[in-house]
Amino acid sequence: GENVEQHPSTLSVQEGDSAVIKCTYSDSASNYFPWYKQELGKGPQLIIDIRSNVGEKKDQRIAVTLNKTAKHFSLHITETQPEDSAVYFCAAGRPGQNFVFGPGTRLSVLP
Amino acid sequence: GAVVSQHPSWVICKSGTSVKIECRSLDFQATTMFWYRQFPKQSLMLMATSNEGSKATYEQGVEKDKFLINHASLTLSTLTVTSAHPEDSSFYICSAVVPRGPAEQYFGPGTRLTVT
Repeated sequence: GENVEQHPSTLSVQEGDSAVIKCTYSDSASNYFPWYKQELGKGPQLIIDIRSNVGEKKDQRIAVTLNKTAKHFSLHITETQPEDSAVYFCAAGRPGQNFVFGPGTRLSVLP
Repeated sequence: GAVVSQHPSWVICKSGTSVKIECRSLDFQATTMFWYRQFPKQSLMLMATSNEGSKATYEQGVEKDKFLINHASLTLSTLTVTSAHPEDSSFYICSAVVPRGPAEQYFGPGTRLTVT
């Protein structure tokens, strides 16, 4: 089955700096890679996703890159703000089906 | 994006009692919903896949007689924790799949269950 690893487990950055979170997956059949942001006591919120036919996708300050050959994908947040502080989860799977989630990255943006 | 609600947002119950958690897709019909459990500072663990009109599919190690799932309509799935014990205390989160377009998965806000 699918196995998703995520690094780092914790990340602290200064406000305005960039943050990068990396994930690897094992199942080459996975073709959908969403990223979720979870704030304390709340459910995960989809922030961006990418499909295997695309190498990069950007939405304002957030971007995701995918390397199918190496089976890894990354989340990039630029110009970080305190409200970006949360736990971020990557996931891998197929649209409409169950995802396998990474263990999460706790991001702290220091003012 | 699509909206998924859960009720209640938190519940405290006594050991041995049963608790029902509702998951609703508010602005779309979802043939598939998922139920997850999340322990503090851990990732989401899939418990079961709920398909409208059919029996739920449970992940290995999840007791189907303890965690009863009913997906009776295209907008509602329920999870009933029967004979709850303190070790069932957790954050339970549902998600629903938008059937059109890219079939994204949207999550509810979660239900915090505490069993005393």
